[in-house]
Amino acid sequence: NAGVTQTPKFQVLKTGQSMTLQCAQDMNHEYMSWYRQDPGMGLRLIHYSVGAGITDQGEVPNGYNVSRSTTEDFPLRLLSAAPSQTSVYFCASSLSESGARGFGPGTRLTVL
Amino acid sequence: SQQGEEDPQALSIQEGENATMNCSYKTSINNLQWYRQNSGRGLVHLILIRSNEREKHSGRLRVTLDTSKKSSSLLITASRAADTASYFCATLGGGNDYKLSFGAGTTVTVRA
Repeated sequence: NAGVTQTPKFQVLKTGQSMTLQCAQDMNHEYMSWYRQDPGMGLRLIHYSVGAGITDQGEVPNGYNVSRSTTEDFPLRLLSAAPSQTSVYFCASSLSESGARGFGPGTRLTVL
Repeated sequence: SQQGEEDPQALSIQEGENATMNCSYKTSINNLQWYRQNSGRGLVHLILIRSNEREKHSGRLRVTLDTSKKSSSLLITASRAADTASYFCATLGGGNDYKLSFGAGTTVTVRA
């Protein structure tokens, strides 16, 4: 199994641009989530999904959209990038909602 | 808002010594999880302890949970240089709250 994969690894955007961060897992995990990590802070939950077709907001959802059309994929869309969205983004998945999360390697995003 | 708070924020120890870090949280939990993050990498799950458990072991790791004090501790015995990393506690809320909330982490440096 490849586990949780994320693309791209690095991205630089200009303010106002949009983009999609990709996340995929090949473990047939129902639960997937997106976090952002800022310097000196823990991870903050952006959005999560308990299964295909079901998504919900986390702690910091503003400026981000998600969809879950398949079990494997959970893309995160930035609608109009802002400098405050400069961060490292991690995708995670787990077999169940209460289980341990497996994390992807992260996407480092810089918004100028 | 972040549920767990780790203490201390940073810890420097000699190889072979034990490292202890603590996590306090505010509301009732389903389980508490500990993760490790090496510099520039994704998070790796270490141990999950359920709310009805008091202690768990995994290799050189020992986790305790005191739900009456809303606190947990992670002990790493006989530390090695490879244990240098940031350690995060994360709490899963009770009931149907499946959001995993992370603390800001403890940075551990093991000196050779």
